[in-house]
Amino acid sequence: QEHLVESGGGVVQPGRSLRLSCGASGFTFSSYGMHWVRQTPGKGLEWVAVLWYDGSHENYTDSVKGRFTISRDNSKNTLFLQMNSLRVEDTALYYCARSVAARANRGYFDLWGRGTLVTVSS
Amino acid sequence: DIQMTQSPSSLSASVGDRVTITCRASQGISNYLAWYQQKPGEGPKLLIYSASTLQSGVPSRFSGSESGTDFTLTISSLQPEDVAIYYCQKYNRGPFTFGPGTKVEIK
Repeated sequence: QEHLVESGGGVVQPGRSLRLSCGASGFTFSSYGMHWVRQTPGKGLEWVAVLWYDGSHENYTDSVKGRFTISRDNSKNTLFLQMNSLRVEDTALYYCARSVAARANRGYFDLWGRGTLVTVSS
Repeated sequence: DIQMTQSPSSLSASVGDRVTITCRASQGISNYLAWYQQKPGEGPKLLIYSASTLQSGVPSRFSGSESGTDFTLTISSLQPEDVAIYYCQKYNRGPFTFGPGTKVEIK
């Protein structure tokens, strides 16, 4: 069975950093582009970042550019999101999601995890 | 950036009713439109891609259609297990914007 499991969330003060992980199982992780998506009660689902299957290309939503970095370790079937200079408005449930496309530029999201909660508060 | 809107924001219908949710893109996205279902405590689940193609394992009471920049998700006969929030999403290129969601409840 194919699974994605997010971890690493928690409570952090504004300006600090946090690293999220997403473990993949049941499929060939290195063949798929991967995304991070976040969800807040007020803003619904917001796409955050994408990374191609081989880690060669990445893209971000404007509000996190320069602060967040998406990466992957295909040898460990794991996706990461390094979040620096966190803001109160980054508070959300963060999901990882699999793209059906290796290069992820025109692929829908066919597998999602259950999310990990990030709370940015002083 | 292309914006996605949905209507209605919520609806209440009886079991067996036909339910229709509309999604509109602010610019053309061809058929790069997906629909997701999200139940409480779960991540979203893919229902439909390419505007009208049913994902494997999804009940046939779900269907999708498109007309220009307008897209429709239809549940032909609403079931209790369909209570959820439904989101549309464009995926032709980044940003991969989602609609604001439609909450479906049973009357």
